[in-house]
Amino acid sequence: DAKTTQPPSMDCAEGRAANLPCNHSTISGNEYVYWYRQIHSQGPQYIIHGLKNNETNEMASLIITEDRKSSTLILPHATLRDTAVYYCIVRVALGYSTLTFGKGTMLLVSP
Amino acid sequence: DVKVTQSSRYLVKRTGEKVFLECVQDMDHENMFWYRQDPGLGLRLIYFSYDVKMKEKGDIPEGYSVSREKKERFSLILESASTNQTSMYLCASSPRTSGGLTDTQYFGPGTRLTVL
Repeated sequence: DAKTTQPPSMDCAEGRAANLPCNHSTISGNEYVYWYRQIHSQGPQYIIHGLKNNETNEMASLIITEDRKSSTLILPHATLRDTAVYYCIVRVALGYSTLTFGKGTMLLVSP
Repeated sequence: DVKVTQSSRYLVKRTGEKVFLECVQDMDHENMFWYRQDPGLGLRLIYFSYDVKMKEKGDIPEGYSVSREKKERFSLILESASTNQTSMYLCASSPRTSGGLTDTQYFGPGTRLTVL
């Protein structure tokens, strides 16, 4: 699986959009971009994933650049409960390929 | 919503005890996984199962065994607990892929095990 680079930490004011970047310059054509988050002492929570098109669900939006070398996770209206470590993962589309989390980005949402 | 539940959130055991951690998922997923998560080491795969009674070793299977007698249930067993098995244990499940689609893994809340 391709490696990813994320900033170690970010701050966001409550109610504002949180934009979390991820670089994956060695991504190959059959690799997806996944985002998970982990709130302290809880299990990881799936957020969103995509291959090349932008994606949106009830939690977030995922913007993938045209060359697929980077992406941005957008939480449109961050709340205090969005404070967590966010992991960007790039992985192939295999049946039971496992997950490898890097260090992620610690997002702190403040009042 | 996918739901993955784990038998305990916190567990304290003594060295040498046999420990059972149970995981149940309600989405009829074929694949189930056991990971441990430690500070600085990230998520490491212990075992996974892609079908009932089937199991595959992950990256760190030593000291652990697993059991999958029913599709919805995947158990992790520490035959003789040791202090270096103190960790957060995470169970996950995912559907079987088809047609090149990747699988999304859904996690349980985790069990924080302390071995004294």
